[in-house]
Amino acid sequence: SQTIHQWPATLVQPVGSPLSLECTVEGTSNPNLYWYRQAAGRGLQLLFYSVGIGQISSEVPQNLSASRPQDRQFILSSKKLLLSDSGFYLCAGSPGGGYTFGSGTRLTVV
Amino acid sequence: KQEVTQIPAALSVPEGENLVLNCSFTDSAIYNLQWFRQDPGKGLTSLLLIQSSQREQTSGRLNASLDKSSGRSTLYIAASQPGDSATYLCAVKGGGADGLTFGKGTHLIIQP
Repeated sequence: SQTIHQWPATLVQPVGSPLSLECTVEGTSNPNLYWYRQAAGRGLQLLFYSVGIGQISSEVPQNLSASRPQDRQFILSSKKLLLSDSGFYLCAGSPGGGYTFGSGTRLTVV
Repeated sequence: KQEVTQIPAALSVPEGENLVLNCSFTDSAIYNLQWFRQDPGKGLTSLLLIQSSQREQTSGRLNASLDKSSGRSTLYIAASQPGDSATYLCAVKGGGADGLTFGKGTHLIIQP
């Protein structure tokens, strides 16, 4: 079965600093991978998805970018964080059918 | 654009009660529907996955039904326990690779 690993669990970053969140997948090959953000009081918003190495689709215009350098690695990045980037970031994978989520990263931009 | 609505937004019941959480979606052309549980500050745990061709799925005290034509799903929790307290999220998947569409969840509290 598929397992999604995310780190770090929590992160406090100053405005204007860079960001790199990593997600790795275990137990499956060539999964579709997703980055979601959950802001306080709001639902889960899909940010990016990838169907394969180097293939990234963006759902919303924003200050963030994503990359998939390896089949089982998905990275969320920013060159300069904004206050509005604060939230709970979740990585998910879908080898087909159901979705599995990681444990999330709580990002606070100060 | 698919929209998912969950009712109620919050629910507080005494331990031992049977309860029903509701989910509706606007576009019936779904591939599957998945119910998740989220504990405070944690990731999502998958509870049940229902394919579009299925009517229901069961796991222990949980039963989820799907009426695709009417755009509805229900999650039935039997004999609720304090450990069931969490936020329950409903999500639907369309035919493409572009992820799940989530409802905003039902925040459930089971009183001991």
